[in-house]
Amino acid sequence: NAGVTQTPKFQVLKTGQSMTLQCAQDMNHEYMSWYRQDPGMGLRLIHYSVGAGITDQGEVPNGYNVSRSTTEDFPLRLLSAAPSQTSVYFCASSYSASGADTQYFGPGTRLTVL
Amino acid sequence: DQQVKQNSPSLSVQEGRISILNCDYTNSMFDYFLWYKKYPAEGPTFLISISSIKDKNEDGRFTVFLNKSAKHLSLHIVPSQPGDSAVYFCAASGGDMRFGAGTRLTVKP
Repeated sequence: NAGVTQTPKFQVLKTGQSMTLQCAQDMNHEYMSWYRQDPGMGLRLIHYSVGAGITDQGEVPNGYNVSRSTTEDFPLRLLSAAPSQTSVYFCASSYSASGADTQYFGPGTRLTVL
Repeated sequence: DQQVKQNSPSLSVQEGRISILNCDYTNSMFDYFLWYKKYPAEGPTFLISISSIKDKNEDGRFTVFLNKSAKHLSLHIVPSQPGDSAVYFCAASGGDMRFGAGTRLTVKP
């Protein structure tokens, strides 16, 4: 079991560029989510999905798109990168959205937008 | 608005002593509370959780206490070990999950 994998580990973008952060899990989890971690702010939920074909917005969705075409994959798209999107991004998965189910996190992607 | 707050950004304790990390929340609809531990350059890992119908949950050296009337929970680590040095995030679940800003724990040998 690889668990939750994220690529790339590091990325530098220029303002206005677009990119996709990849996330995959091999635990057959229905619930997947994306967070960003900023100093003094903790982890903030960007988007989440309760199953293939279903996505919803979290606390800070602006500037990001997601899709969930398969159970395994949950990519996060930055449409036009801005310096405010400089952050560390974590993908997570769990059996369900219930707090009783442990969320497993990927190792993170450190993104810098110049 | 921050629905989950960790007001202490850092805590330093001596090896063998107790570490107490605190967390406050504002939303009474949260039904599960969790603690995650994070080492540098790694993703957070689950540590311990508690349902809103309980007031205490223990797992080895780790105990979480929940005071619903005060909307407060705490994580006790006894005895603290140098390997416990990490950032600890408090989280609350009620549909989606909200995290606190984290407390950096340093355990000195």
